[in-house]
Amino acid sequence: GAVVSQHPSWVICKSGTSVKIECRSLDFQATTMFWYRQFPKQSLMLMATSNEGSKATYEQGVEKDKFLINHASLTLSTLTVTSAHPEDSSFYICSARRAWGAGETQYFGPGTRLLVL
Amino acid sequence: GENVEQHPSTLSVQEGDSAVIKCTYSDSASNYFPWYKQELGKGPQLIIDIRSNVGEKKDQRIAVTLNKTAKHFSLHITETQPEDSAVYFCAAGRQLTFGSGTQLTVLP
Repeated sequence: GAVVSQHPSWVICKSGTSVKIECRSLDFQATTMFWYRQFPKQSLMLMATSNEGSKATYEQGVEKDKFLINHASLTLSTLTVTSAHPEDSSFYICSARRAWGAGETQYFGPGTRLLVL
Repeated sequence: GENVEQHPSTLSVQEGDSAVIKCTYSDSASNYFPWYKQELGKGPQLIIDIRSNVGEKKDQRIAVTLNKTAKHFSLHITETQPEDSAVYFCAAGRQLTFGSGTQLTVLP
């Protein structure tokens, strides 16, 4: 099956620092990748949609200067949380859309837990 | 945009019994309906999906049914096992809109 990896799986950082999270589709090319944020006991909240070679599309209320997204290749997207603050602590999950004969399927990474002190 | 409602929010069943989780959606143009299982501290795992050109799909103990007229779809898990315990999310549309999730607990 399709595999999506994320790195790191967890990170602790000091307030004011920047953190980069990588998302890779390991066995397929993904023209579109997504970044979600999930708070405890809640559903997934879409932050942005990333297309290879173009600027990401951010959902309403998500600061694009705070959450920088780069989709440099068909297998790699990165999310950088700039000047992180404690309220940015959350579970960040990426997803990659795979196109195949019958349609498209979206696969998720294992998530990255961010704790900002 | 799409709006997805999911029920129940929690579900407890005895091992071996069946579990059913239901979702409704609002956008009649949606034609893709996946179900994800999320274990604590992990990312969502695709367990089954259905497209609007079929009404039912089955994979071993898991099945999904779709009623496009009524705009609802359901997940059915038979012969539940303790390892089925997790949060299950339904979703709809090409740009997935997620339901609020169902915490399924299978009691041994």
